[in-house]
Amino acid sequence: DAGVIQSPRHEVTEMGQEVTLRCKPISGHNSLFWYRQTMMRGLELLIYFNNNVPIDDSGMPEDRFSAKMPNASFSTLKIQPSEPRDSAVYFCASSPLTGAREKLFFGSGTQLSVL
Amino acid sequence: TQLLEQSPQFLSIQEGENLTVYCNSSSVFSSLQWYRQEPGEGPVLLVTVVTGGEVKKLKRLTFQFGDARKDSSLHITAAQPGDTGLYLCAGVYNQGGKLIFGQGTELSVKP
Repeated sequence: DAGVIQSPRHEVTEMGQEVTLRCKPISGHNSLFWYRQTMMRGLELLIYFNNNVPIDDSGMPEDRFSAKMPNASFSTLKIQPSEPRDSAVYFCASSPLTGAREKLFFGSGTQLSVL
Repeated sequence: TQLLEQSPQFLSIQEGENLTVYCNSSSVFSSLQWYRQEPGEGPVLLVTVVTGGEVKKLKRLTFQFGDARKDSSLHITAAQPGDTGLYLCAGVYNQGGKLIFGQGTELSVKP
């Protein structure tokens, strides 16, 4: 299996632009998670889905952030408009079982820089 | 507020030395996981502990879950340069709850 695939690996954009991050979970996994990692705050859970349904989005920082999972093999995290403080590494992870306590398989992340 | 504290934040040692990393909380975990993250990659799960007092070994790595399930430790024996990375503990505070990560311990093992 190719593992969790994220794209792009790096994204540099200007403040105010829309940013879309993409994730393909491991085939057969039922849960998908979006995390953000910064030096100051570490790894923060933004949102997670079980069977394509958003379960907990309390970690989404603002209305500028939105996430979708239209099918079992694809998810997007969108930031519109982007701000410099959104600069971070964004990770997608999937899990074979529902619930956040199960083993997570992480992608390689998207390094986002908002200038 | 559920807070997971890891110590030390940074650790630089010579090859062959032993080390211990700690993960503490004021709340009880239903389960706890340890991950290792290398630069430019996502975290990779090392172990999950569920039972208070549980000890698990993975080659030169020994993981212990506190009796009260509020703390955990990771001990590495005879560290090697390949052990270099960010070690993260992550805990779930109740059944079906979210996985909360600690800030991590940045380990550097010099040859």
